[in-house]
Amino acid sequence: EAQVTQNPRYLITVTGKKLTVTCSQNMNHEYMSWYRQDPGLGLRQIYYSMNVEVTDKGDVPEGYKVSRKEKRNFPLILESPSPNQTSLYFCASSWTDPRADTQYFGPGTRLTVL
Amino acid sequence: AQSVTQLDSQVPVFEEAPVELRCNYSSSVSVYLFWYVQYPNQGLQLLLKYLSGSTLVKGINGFEAEFNKSQTSFHLRKPSVHISDTAEYFCAVSTGGFKTIFGAGTRLFVKA
Repeated sequence: EAQVTQNPRYLITVTGKKLTVTCSQNMNHEYMSWYRQDPGLGLRQIYYSMNVEVTDKGDVPEGYKVSRKEKRNFPLILESPSPNQTSLYFCASSWTDPRADTQYFGPGTRLTVL
Repeated sequence: AQSVTQLDSQVPVFEEAPVELRCNYSSSVSVYLFWYVQYPNQGLQLLLKYLSGSTLVKGINGFEAEFNKSQTSFHLRKPSVHISDTAEYFCAVSTGGFKTIFGAGTRLFVKA
């Protein structure tokens, strides 16, 4: 089944404790992206990647890191999480240019930083 | 810079009634426009998209949207809604640079 998977689905952590949220897609998509969803703000793009080893900042990249060493994986890293990073996070992928191709979204990761 | 404004945060409607969810965008260049739906506790899925051509776009589940360049709008419509259409709907715009900008979302409540 074609899908985007994220792990973990739920995570409660404390301020400053490094964490990684994994994202994997099995559709051989070139483009991958991370978003955070907050009430009243919709989805805001954190980082995106056009292909392996090619990443760029979205609108809210501060406090996040990403890497794209393999085509199928695009982990989101929070080196020192803070409470304002409490949010619902979505990973998405598309064949190539998301302007023309459909983005497929993962099920989401709900992160709480205490 | 591009932006997307969804004019209604919540829209309550009775089953089998028509509905319109409004979306306005701002951009100085050509845009690609999208509507996504998010059912409770799920990720987003694409309803429809406008890339070029006909300004009336038909999507899944009986939804359609009309691109109006002069009014910079991309309103979503359905002539008769079902209980199962209860969800949050997001309008999105994409131009250059591979970025996608989403609106704040509109919660559609369909009542029996």
